[in-house]
Amino acid sequence: DGGITQSPKYLFRKEGQNVTLSCEQNLNHDAMYWYRQDPGQGLRLIYYSQIVNDFQKGDIAEGYSVSREKKESFPLTVTSAQKNPTAFYLCASNKGLVHNEQFFGPGTRLTVL
Amino acid sequence: KNQVEQSPQSLIILEGKNCTLQCNYTVSPFSNLRWYKQDTGRGPVSLTIMTFSENTKSNGRYTATLDADTKQSSLHITASQLSDSASYICVVSAGDSNYQLIWGAGTKLIIKP
Repeated sequence: DGGITQSPKYLFRKEGQNVTLSCEQNLNHDAMYWYRQDPGQGLRLIYYSQIVNDFQKGDIAEGYSVSREKKESFPLTVTSAQKNPTAFYLCASNKGLVHNEQFFGPGTRLTVL
Repeated sequence: KNQVEQSPQSLIILEGKNCTLQCNYTVSPFSNLRWYKQDTGRGPVSLTIMTFSENTKSNGRYTATLDADTKQSSLHITASQLSDSASYICVVSAGDSNYQLIWGAGTKLIIKP
């Protein structure tokens, strides 16, 4: 059963804590992305990766970090430096960077208490 | 500044009726325009992708149109069903790569029985 999985579905964090959101895909896709979605706004790109061991900052990378040690996995860490981390986080992937349809995971809702 | 604006912000219609959602964009350069459907609390799912030369594209009861001269697109939903209740997001690619996507804020569609 191919697809993108994200875990956990809901995550609660105390201020000052780092948390890591998981994203795994078994679609053999090269490119992976992390987006943030806030109410009433379009998706905003946090980080993306074209190949293993390489990733690039998106439009709102401050306070976030990623790694791409395996093709299938692209975890996102929300650090304490992110001032307003409460949001819905979406992971996506596609075969290549160019034109290809993006496939999204089910999302993780992060709430800072 | 590259922008994608969608209207209306929200829409309520009765089951079985048709509706049309609008998307205006000021994105340059233009590569392609996409429509996504996003159920509440889930990741977006692609409905259509249109390039500059395509005026219309259908996916079942969904038909998207593109007027590249006026920089407008519409998504027409025919014979609406309760399962069509979702947010519909217009996305314009500002280049050849998926990290150059400009996301609209979406139209929230509610279908009432």
